[in-house]
Amino acid sequence: GAGVSQSPSNKVTEKGKDVELRCDPISGHTALYWYRQSLGQGLEFLIYFQGNSAPDKSGLPSDRFSAERTGGSVSTLTIQRTQQEDSAVYLCASSLESPISSYNEQFFGPGTRLTVL
Amino acid sequence: TQLLEQSPQFLSIQEGENLTVYCNSSSVFSSLQWYRQEPGEGPVLLVTVVTGGEVKKLKRLTFQFGDARKDSSLHITAAQPGDTGLYLCAGAPEDGNKLVFGAGTILRVKS
Repeated sequence: GAGVSQSPSNKVTEKGKDVELRCDPISGHTALYWYRQSLGQGLEFLIYFQGNSAPDKSGLPSDRFSAERTGGSVSTLTIQRTQQEDSAVYLCASSLESPISSYNEQFFGPGTRLTVL
Repeated sequence: TQLLEQSPQFLSIQEGENLTVYCNSSSVFSSLQWYRQEPGEGPVLLVTVVTGGEVKKLKRLTFQFGDARKDSSLHITAAQPGDTGLYLCAGAPEDGNKLVFGAGTILRVKS
């Protein structure tokens, strides 16, 4: 009964480098979300995948951010040319379907703490 | 853009005290969820409230959804050090497909 896993747990990179963050959702969950969380703050929505539908990218802060979900399972969030303001915890969550049905809980991974020097 | 204002931002209390965290919006939500997050972990769902005026209890925690489904509160009775963490409210918009999160309340309960 594995939950949502994310890797790496911590990533330190230099400004200008590209980084890839990975999320393994719970098997069978069709919805997958990426969020960004600054220290002790709430969650900022980044992108949402639901089944085979086109992803909702409305939360991506710039074109340096992109994400893909292969085979409806694993997802990768890529940040190109990282900046210091990209430093945050990146959280991934999955659910059976969109939580807008009100009853579907989002299960969160432990997050990846990204530090851009 | 729908916003959820959460207050207070930070709360430090002694063990045994009561506290209330508020989540307010000018928008209507179809449901509202409360999460608790501990350092180094992702948020964990505590409760979902769906009906206006609904009250749910989870041991020493009482959750209320406003009659107009625009606000919610979390009340903790006789707080324990184990209650320490970040509490987040999240609303499901009536016409959207993603949750709107409040900024969170950092609770510290001292023994």
